Amino acid sequence: AQKVTQAQTEISVVEKEDVTLDCVYETRDTTYYLFWYKQPPSGELVFLIRRNSFDEQNEISGRYSWNFQKSTSSFNFTITASQVVDSAVYFCALSDSGSSNTGKLIFGQGTTLQVKP
Amino acid sequence: DAGITQSPRHKVTETGTPVTLRCHQTENHRYMYWYRQDPGHGLRLIHYSYGVKDTDKGEVSDGYSVSRSKTEDFLLTLESATSSQTSVYFCAISELGGRGNEQFFGPGTRLTVL
Repeated sequence: AQKVTQAQTEISVVEKEDVTLDCVYETRDTTYYLFWYKQPPSGELVFLIRRNSFDEQNEISGRYSWNFQKSTSSFNFTITASQVVDSAVYFCALSDSGSSNTGKLIFGQGTTLQVKP
Repeated sequence: DAGITQSPRHKVTETGTPVTLRCHQTENHRYMYWYRQDPGHGLRLIHYSYGVKDTDKGEVSDGYSVSRSKTEDFLLTLESATSSQTSVYFCAISELGGRGNEQFFGPGTRLTVL
């Protein structure tokens, strides 16, 4: 069965600190996608990144970076120089991409990040 | 932004009453999904649709039914609402394939069952 674990329930940092959100996944599929979504206090879900299981290259987008390691089944998310606007709930998610692809997302429990000024 | 709307956005109802939530899209995407969000559980899939009149169950489908008579509309029905169905409900759409299963989410519906 597929499973996503975000062991950090809540993280609190002071503005300008770096913070890493952990995500560990389980799947028997050989091809799959991994995602990160952000849910700000307003409640909407904002897509951040998608990573194909074939692509283990790390990705950087501004202050955001993602570290995908198949060997440890992890897809961690780092925010550099955090800002108050980064305060949100962050979700890691997994879906298959094989012949029976339905696009269903399996979400982790979410990590609440609070960035204090 | 993807064109997805949900109605109503907020609803308070009593135990035992039927409730229908509506998801409407203007993107002509084939796949539509209903998730519920609860503290400590993230989002969990209730039902999904892979075409008009084609639906299947998700992880937490008990007590829910769905219908999709048009590409643009996906309805979620609670036949007899219970307090355990108090939650925030999100609809999502996807075209799979080229966009790599990326899902676009609606604004959510907050349902309270008293």
